[in-house]
Amino acid sequence: AQSVTQLDSQVPVFEEAPVELRCNYSSSVSVYLFWYVQYPNQGLQLLLKYLSGSTLVKGINGFEAEFNKSQTSFHLRKPSVHISDTAEYFCAVSTNTGNQFYFGTGTSLTVIP
Amino acid sequence: DTAVSQTPKYLVTQMGNDKSIKCEQNLGHDTMYWYKQDSKKFLKIMFSYNNKELIINETVPNRFSPKSPDKAHLNLHINSLELGDSAVYFCASSRRASGYQETQYFGPGTRLLVL
Repeated sequence: AQSVTQLDSQVPVFEEAPVELRCNYSSSVSVYLFWYVQYPNQGLQLLLKYLSGSTLVKGINGFEAEFNKSQTSFHLRKPSVHISDTAEYFCAVSTNTGNQFYFGTGTSLTVIP
Repeated sequence: DTAVSQTPKYLVTQMGNDKSIKCEQNLGHDTMYWYKQDSKKFLKIMFSYNNKELIINETVPNRFSPKSPDKAHLNLHINSLELGDSAVYFCASSRRASGYQETQYFGPGTRLLVL
């Protein structure tokens, strides 16, 4: 079975500061990893995903994430955040051995002016 | 041009009532999903349909019944609503089942409040 852990439920950060949102997963098979963002009162939208190849993945809005197989992590980073990045961020995992898709419990990012 | 749409956006109802939420996608996707997001933002999959066939049916009370009249529509009917059903319900779709590499596209959500 697969699972996803987002250790930080809330992350406050000042505007223009860097941020890292942590995501760890567990799986006995190869995984595909995703980060989704949910802006207030909206549905989720894809930020980026790792399927294979380069372990550094670049997404929309200046976000990037690095797949680290040895540490089973897929942390999301942005070098300089904006007020508009205030949102809920979800890490998710799927595999090619079933039809399951698991979301983490989410990290609420609040950017402080 | 909304890719995944849900109606209604808000739903306030009394305990014991029966209600339906509708979802439509115009992306030509084969697979559709229903998720429940609780007050703590925890997102849990409820059902998934692939080409009108049920492929994921998580542990959900049988008061919840999905129906897919065609692959562009997935409706959710809830019987005998309870207070604990209050949540935001999201519909989503993907090109094919998410056991692969597919991005899911989410609707805007339906905010259900049971009084």
